[in-house]
Amino acid sequence: KAGVTQTPRYLIKTRGQQVTLSCSPISGHRSVSWYQQTPGQGLQFLFEYFSETQRNKGNFPGRFSGRQFSNSRSEMNVSTLELGDSALYLCASSLAGMGEYGYTFGSGTRLTVV
Amino acid sequence: DQQVKQNSPSLSVQEGRISILNCDYTNSMFDYFLWYKKYPAEGPTFLISISSIKDKNEDGRFTVFLNKSAKHLSLHIVPSQPGDSAVYFCAASAETAAGNKLTFGGGTRVLVKP
Repeated sequence: KAGVTQTPRYLIKTRGQQVTLSCSPISGHRSVSWYQQTPGQGLQFLFEYFSETQRNKGNFPGRFSGRQFSNSRSEMNVSTLELGDSALYLCASSLAGMGEYGYTFGSGTRLTVV
Repeated sequence: DQQVKQNSPSLSVQEGRISILNCDYTNSMFDYFLWYKKYPAEGPTFLISISSIKDKNEDGRFTVFLNKSAKHLSLHIVPSQPGDSAVYFCAASAETAAGNKLTFGGGTRVLVKP
């Protein structure tokens, strides 16, 4: 059974540009969440999508947005990139909600903003 | 406002001995607590969880203890193995009408010495 797949694995962008990251959840999983990991702030929740609807959002500026498609695949977009957006972006999926097995994470996309 | 805290940034233990990782939380609405293990450049891997209605959960070498009155949980790894060397994150979740999200602690880096 394939795990959570994130593409690309690595990305270098210039300040001011925009970027789109992709996440394919485990087959059958309908909930997809995004997290940002930085050395200073640790792992922080960005947003969660379920059945194409955003149902939870973390404390990030509006430059961070996402969407989920009918096949549960999700994309995350960051516009007007800032140096501080350099981070490991992690996608996680689950069947419906959290539950006792938590979420299954992908390997992440390492974004570097120069 | 750090709702989940891991006060020990690092832990060094001899192979075969017990590793004890600690985590404190402030939000009494959390209903699931999870431990994840993370290697560099990879996503977190789910280890074990505990519901807020329990005080202990075991899975092989891993045992999680929850003390609700103290708002404290711990992860015991017995016996510790070199392959356990990684960063361990404590996370908590509160089910709400807006869905779920994981709130992570800052992590504890574990080094198991042969």
